[in-house]
Amino acid sequence: ETGVTQSPTHLIKTRGQQVTLRCSSQSGHNTVSWYQQALGQGPQFIFQYYREEENGRGNFPPRFSGLQFPNYSSELNVNALELDDSALYLCASSGGTRTMNTEAFFGQGTRLTVV
Amino acid sequence: QKEVEQDPGPLSVPEGAIVSLNCTYSNSAFQYFMWYRQYSRKGPELLMYTYSSGNKEDGRFTAQVDKSSKYISLFIRDSQPSDSATYLCAPRATDSWGKLQFGAGTQVVVTP
Repeated sequence: ETGVTQSPTHLIKTRGQQVTLRCSSQSGHNTVSWYQQALGQGPQFIFQYYREEENGRGNFPPRFSGLQFPNYSSELNVNALELDDSALYLCASSGGTRTMNTEAFFGQGTRLTVV
Repeated sequence: QKEVEQDPGPLSVPEGAIVSLNCTYSNSAFQYFMWYRQYSRKGPELLMYTYSSGNKEDGRFTAQVDKSSKYISLFIRDSQPSDSATYLCAPRATDSWGKLQFGAGTQVVVTP
């Protein structure tokens, strides 16, 4: 086990709804990165949070947003859900500085299905 | 064109065979080359990584990088059924482990 926990493990939402996914980072880690993994694809980088501030963003629309809390846990929020948002959402925690992280450890993911 | 290309497979081999996995990439700035293993319904886990060109061996696993041709390889010797998983290459340009560019992953099935 990596010490990175995600909740919930599975979720079914209706198109147009909003969803919040949660991630508890490994003890001692200050950075959380979120990824979207569609079926049969590799994970795609959504964004990264370092010490409560966004520290880089991939090619995702603004309806994907996030937060990181003082204890370095994190949330991923997706508004106005679309069918294509159905995927496995992964978070990865790492330590280090803003520009130089240590190895990233992944959680088991949240499987989101949009119907 | 995607920055990282990887044949999705599936690649089916008999137990004991050598598994050969490959990735190509287009970004010359990539300096670190990671291989992750992902079992079904699990998150990816780091298998091994190399820096710049060359070979690296870790037990039954060997990673090779040829930066001149932008080609990355992973070899698994004496493959076992427990090696059945999806293997993802993930090169990166910076020291930031968190911002990874993954290939699509190759599904490997090792049959007893």
